Amino acid sequence: DAGVIQSPRHEVTEMGQEVTLRCKPISGHDYLFWYRQTMMRGLELLIYFNNNVPIDDSGMPEDRFSAKMPNASFSTLKIQPSEPRDSAVYFCASSFFGGVRGEAFFGQGTRLTVV
Amino acid sequence: RKEVEQDPGPFNVPEGATVAFNCTYSNSASQSFFWYRQDCRKEPKLLMSVYSSGNEDGRFTAQLNRASQYISLLIRDSKLSDSATYLCVVNKVDMRFGAGTRLTVKP
Repeated sequence: DAGVIQSPRHEVTEMGQEVTLRCKPISGHDYLFWYRQTMMRGLELLIYFNNNVPIDDSGMPEDRFSAKMPNASFSTLKIQPSEPRDSAVYFCASSFFGGVRGEAFFGQGTRLTVV
Repeated sequence: RKEVEQDPGPFNVPEGATVAFNCTYSNSASQSFFWYRQDCRKEPKLLMSVYSSGNEDGRFTAQLNRASQYISLLIRDSKLSDSATYLCVVNKVDMRFGAGTRLTVKP
Protein backbone atom coordinates (compact mmCIF):
# COMPACT_ATOMS: atom_id res chain seq x y z
CA ASP A 1 0.00 0.00 0.00
CA ALA A 2 1.31 3.46 -0.88
CA GLY A 3 0.13 4.98 2.36
CA VAL A 4 -1.63 8.30 2.70
CA ILE A 5 -0.74 10.57 -0.17
CA GLN A 6 -0.87 14.33 0.10
CA SER A 7 -0.29 16.95 -2.54
CA PRO A 8 1.33 19.30 -3.01
CA ARG A 9 4.27 18.75 -0.65
CA HIS A 10 5.05 22.45 -0.62
CA GLU A 11 2.89 25.42 -1.49
CA VAL A 12 3.87 29.07 -1.52
CA THR A 13 1.08 31.48 -2.27
CA GLU A 14 0.25 35.12 -1.93
CA MET A 15 -2.18 36.43 0.63
CA GLY A 16 -5.71 36.43 -0.70
CA GLN A 17 -5.23 33.50 -3.04
CA GLU A 18 -7.19 30.28 -2.82
CA VAL A 19 -5.27 27.22 -1.68
CA THR A 20 -6.41 23.63 -2.14
CA LEU A 21 -4.71 20.76 -0.36
CA ARG A 22 -5.38 17.21 -1.44
CA CYS A 23 -5.36 13.86 0.28
CA LYS A 24 -5.75 10.26 -0.79
CA PRO A 25 -6.30 8.01 2.25
CA ILE A 26 -5.28 4.39 2.55
CA SER A 27 -7.73 2.15 0.73
CA GLY A 28 -10.28 0.61 3.08
CA HIS A 29 -9.85 3.16 5.85
CA ASP A 30 -13.12 4.65 7.01
CA TYR A 31 -11.86 7.70 8.90
CA LEU A 32 -9.99 10.66 7.53
CA PHE A 33 -8.50 13.48 9.61
CA TRP A 34 -7.10 16.87 8.69
CA TYR A 35 -4.55 18.44 11.06
CA ARG A 36 -2.59 21.66 11.14
CA GLN A 37 0.77 21.86 12.88
CA THR A 38 2.60 24.98 14.01
CA MET A 39 5.28 25.56 16.58
CA MET A 40 2.94 27.66 18.68
CA ARG A 41 -0.16 25.46 18.65
CA GLY A 42 1.17 21.99 18.02
CA LEU A 43 -0.91 19.47 16.08
CA GLU A 44 -4.49 20.67 15.87
CA LEU A 45 -7.37 18.55 14.63
CA LEU A 46 -9.30 20.61 12.09
CA ILE A 47 -11.97 18.19 10.90
CA TYR A 48 -12.58 14.51 10.50
CA PHE A 49 -14.77 12.36 8.29
CA ASN A 50 -16.32 8.94 8.76
CA ASN A 51 -17.34 7.15 5.59
CA ASN A 52 -17.00 10.42 3.67
CA VAL A 53 -19.31 12.30 6.04
CA PRO A 54 -17.94 15.21 8.10
CA ILE A 55 -18.37 14.34 11.76
CA ASP A 56 -16.70 17.15 13.65
CA ASP A 57 -15.47 20.39 12.12
CA SER A 58 -15.20 22.32 15.36
CA GLY A 59 -11.47 22.67 14.86
CA MET A 60 -11.80 24.56 11.59
CA PRO A 61 -10.49 28.01 12.48
CA GLU A 62 -12.97 30.10 10.50
CA ASP A 63 -15.18 30.22 7.46
CA ARG A 64 -12.22 30.66 5.18
CA PHE A 65 -11.51 26.98 5.70
CA SER A 66 -13.59 24.23 4.12
CA ALA A 67 -13.11 20.51 3.62
CA LYS A 68 -14.80 17.98 1.42
CA MET A 69 -14.66 14.27 0.88
CA PRO A 70 -16.55 13.48 -2.31
CA ASN A 71 -15.61 9.80 -2.20
CA ALA A 72 -13.69 7.29 -0.12
CA SER A 73 -10.42 7.89 -1.91
CA PHE A 74 -10.15 11.66 -1.99
CA SER A 75 -10.45 14.67 0.27
CA THR A 76 -9.63 18.34 -0.07
CA LEU A 77 -8.96 21.15 2.38
CA LYS A 78 -9.50 24.58 0.91
CA ILE A 79 -8.51 27.97 2.27
CA GLN A 80 -10.08 30.98 0.61
CA PRO A 81 -8.80 33.63 0.95
CA SER A 82 -5.47 32.61 2.44
CA GLU A 83 -3.68 34.73 5.05
CA PRO A 84 -0.08 34.71 6.33
CA ARG A 85 -1.23 33.23 9.66
CA ASP A 86 -2.40 30.14 7.78
CA SER A 87 1.23 29.23 7.17
CA ALA A 88 1.74 25.80 8.71
CA VAL A 89 2.19 22.14 7.88
CA TYR A 90 -1.12 20.49 7.07
CA PHE A 91 -1.37 16.75 7.61
CA CYS A 92 -3.97 14.32 6.44
CA ALA A 93 -4.34 11.00 8.25
CA SER A 94 -6.57 7.98 7.84
CA SER A 95 -7.52 5.08 10.03
CA PHE A 96 -9.79 2.07 10.23
CA PHE A 97 -12.54 2.19 12.91
CA GLY A 98 -11.33 5.67 13.82
CA GLY A 99 -9.18 6.00 16.89
CA VAL A 100 -11.12 3.54 18.95
CA ARG A 101 -9.13 0.61 17.69
CA GLY A 102 -6.83 1.65 14.98
CA GLU A 103 -3.85 3.88 14.67
CA ALA A 104 -3.86 6.86 12.35
CA PHE A 105 -1.50 6.80 9.40
CA PHE A 106 -0.24 10.17 8.28
CA GLY A 107 0.66 11.58 4.94
CA GLN A 108 3.93 13.45 4.58
CA GLY A 109 2.15 16.76 4.94
CA THR A 110 1.83 19.93 2.91
CA ARG A 111 4.03 22.80 3.99
CA LEU A 112 2.04 25.95 3.26
CA THR A 113 3.61 29.38 3.21
CA VAL A 114 1.39 32.39 2.65
CA VAL A 115 3.31 35.56 1.89
CA ARG B 1 -8.52 22.95 30.18
CA LYS B 2 -7.09 21.23 27.10
CA GLU B 3 -8.30 17.72 26.38
CA VAL B 4 -4.76 16.39 26.28
CA GLU B 5 -1.80 17.91 28.07
CA GLN B 6 1.81 16.86 27.99
CA ASP B 7 5.01 17.66 29.81
CA PRO B 8 6.28 20.66 27.85
CA GLY B 9 9.92 19.60 27.82
CA PRO B 10 12.36 19.88 26.23
CA PHE B 11 14.21 16.96 27.74
CA ASN B 12 17.94 16.86 27.17
CA VAL B 13 19.49 13.64 28.41
CA PRO B 14 22.80 11.79 27.95
CA GLU B 15 23.00 8.51 26.13
CA GLY B 16 22.03 5.61 28.35
CA ALA B 17 19.73 7.66 30.55
CA THR B 18 16.20 6.71 31.45
CA VAL B 19 13.56 9.31 30.67
CA ALA B 20 9.82 9.40 31.27
CA PHE B 21 7.03 11.47 29.77
CA ASN B 22 3.53 11.94 31.09
CA CYS B 23 0.34 12.93 29.40
CA THR B 24 -2.92 13.80 31.15
CA TYR B 25 -6.37 13.74 29.61
CA SER B 26 -9.64 15.28 30.66
CA ASN B 27 -12.26 12.99 29.11
CA SER B 28 -12.84 9.98 31.32
CA ALA B 29 -14.70 8.29 28.46
CA SER B 30 -11.52 8.05 26.39
CA GLN B 31 -11.02 4.54 25.15
CA SER B 32 -7.76 4.33 23.28
CA PHE B 33 -4.34 5.71 23.93
CA PHE B 34 -1.23 5.87 21.82
CA TRP B 35 2.25 7.30 21.75
CA TYR B 36 3.49 8.72 18.46
CA ARG B 37 6.96 9.77 17.48
CA GLN B 38 7.67 12.68 15.15
CA ASP B 39 11.07 13.36 13.70
CA CYS B 40 12.00 16.84 12.58
CA ARG B 41 10.09 17.87 9.45
CA LYS B 42 8.45 14.47 9.19
CA GLU B 43 4.98 13.12 9.83
CA PRO B 44 4.00 11.54 13.16
CA LYS B 45 4.26 7.77 13.28
CA LEU B 46 2.87 5.32 15.76
CA LEU B 47 5.38 4.29 18.41
CA MET B 48 3.13 2.10 20.51
CA SER B 49 -0.39 1.64 21.74
CA VAL B 50 -1.07 1.88 25.46
CA TYR B 51 -3.00 -0.98 27.03
CA SER B 52 -4.76 -0.99 30.36
CA SER B 53 -2.32 -3.48 31.82
CA GLY B 54 0.69 -1.60 30.58
CA ASN B 55 2.92 -2.82 27.80
CA GLU B 56 6.54 -2.98 26.88
CA ASP B 57 8.36 -2.96 23.57
CA GLY B 58 12.08 -3.33 23.97
CA ARG B 59 13.39 -0.25 25.76
CA PHE B 60 9.97 1.42 25.73
CA THR B 61 7.29 0.96 28.37
CA ALA B 62 3.84 2.53 28.23
CA GLN B 63 1.41 2.69 31.12
CA LEU B 64 -2.13 3.87 31.64
CA ASN B 65 -3.61 5.14 34.88
CA ARG B 66 -7.34 5.56 34.38
CA ALA B 67 -8.02 6.69 37.93
CA SER B 68 -5.69 9.65 37.58
CA GLN B 69 -6.30 9.98 33.84
CA TYR B 70 -2.78 9.91 32.58
CA ILE B 71 -0.54 7.82 30.39
CA SER B 72 3.21 7.57 30.55
CA LEU B 73 6.09 6.56 28.33
CA LEU B 74 9.38 5.35 29.75
CA ILE B 75 12.49 5.06 27.62
CA ARG B 76 15.39 3.10 29.06
CA ASP B 77 18.98 3.18 27.88
CA SER B 78 18.38 6.20 25.62
CA LYS B 79 19.99 6.19 22.21
CA LEU B 80 20.94 9.13 20.03
CA SER B 81 18.32 7.90 17.57
CA ASP B 82 15.59 8.39 20.18
CA SER B 83 15.88 12.14 19.69
CA ALA B 84 12.47 13.22 18.44
CA THR B 85 9.20 14.71 19.58
CA TYR B 86 6.87 12.32 21.37
CA LEU B 87 3.15 12.96 21.14
CA CYS B 88 0.43 11.29 23.11
CA VAL B 89 -2.94 10.60 21.59
CA VAL B 90 -6.17 10.19 23.53
CA ASN B 91 -9.48 9.67 21.90
CA LYS B 92 -13.07 8.62 21.95
CA VAL B 93 -13.28 8.43 18.19
CA ASP B 94 -11.36 11.44 17.03
CA MET B 95 -7.63 11.46 17.39
CA ARG B 96 -6.54 14.40 19.54
CA PHE B 97 -2.85 14.90 20.07
CA GLY B 98 -0.95 16.44 22.90
CA ALA B 99 1.42 19.27 22.06
CA GLY B 100 4.38 16.92 22.15
CA THR B 101 7.54 16.66 24.20
CA ARG B 102 10.86 17.24 22.56
CA LEU B 103 13.61 14.80 23.54
CA THR B 104 17.26 15.29 22.69
CA VAL B 105 19.69 12.52 23.56
CA LYS B 106 23.27 13.73 23.64
CA PRO B 107 26.52 11.74 23.41
